[in-house]
Amino acid sequence: DSGVTQTPKHLITATGQRVTLRCSPRSGDLSVYWYQQSLDQGLQFLIQYYNGEERAKGNILERFSAQQFPDLHSELNLSSLELGDSALYFCASRTPGQGDSELFFGEGSRLTVL
Amino acid sequence: GENVEQHPSTLSVQEGDSAVIKCTYSDSASNYFPWYKQELGKGPQLIIDIRSNVGEKKDQRIAVTLNKTAKHFSLHITETQPEDSAVYFCAASRGNTPLVFGKGTRLSVIA
Repeated sequence: DSGVTQTPKHLITATGQRVTLRCSPRSGDLSVYWYQQSLDQGLQFLIQYYNGEERAKGNILERFSAQQFPDLHSELNLSSLELGDSALYFCASRTPGQGDSELFFGEGSRLTVL
Repeated sequence: GENVEQHPSTLSVQEGDSAVIKCTYSDSASNYFPWYKQELGKGPQLIIDIRSNVGEKKDQRIAVTLNKTAKHFSLHITETQPEDSAVYFCAASRGNTPLVFGKGTRLSVIA
């Protein structure tokens, strides 16, 4: 158990819909990272938050947004869903003050768009 | 930005043999190179990492080598066991930048 909690584990929805994925980082971790894993693209970095503020942005679509709340949990919002958004979405956290240190991943949220 | 290429995409070995996975990176400023193992239904988990001031690091049956000049690094698993079967990802970053991952290698260890 990494200490990172993600909900829901599985989600099935239709094209055009909107979903919210939730992540609780390890106790004491201030950074939250979101990654998308699809079959042919590996792990793609989406966005990072640090203590409530956006710190870095990767290949995140404009239809996607995220935020980190004062209690440090984070939510990834995916809207106007398309078939190609079907993927595993991972959240990860990291020990504060250690840039090049271990990322702890949750078990992911599997999104299926029909 | 950083780009990480990983080869091979799939690898099958007999139990007891060695497995080698190779990665190249593009950003010469990258200085942190971890390897993650992802088992079925789980999130990736760090198995070993190396920093740019070190050429090789070993942890029991797992070793990683880094060639900064050529900008490539490799994972070596010796005496493979069925429980080594998983997807392995290499990654690279510099400073506090987010990790950039390779596309993964599916390792199958045949008993």
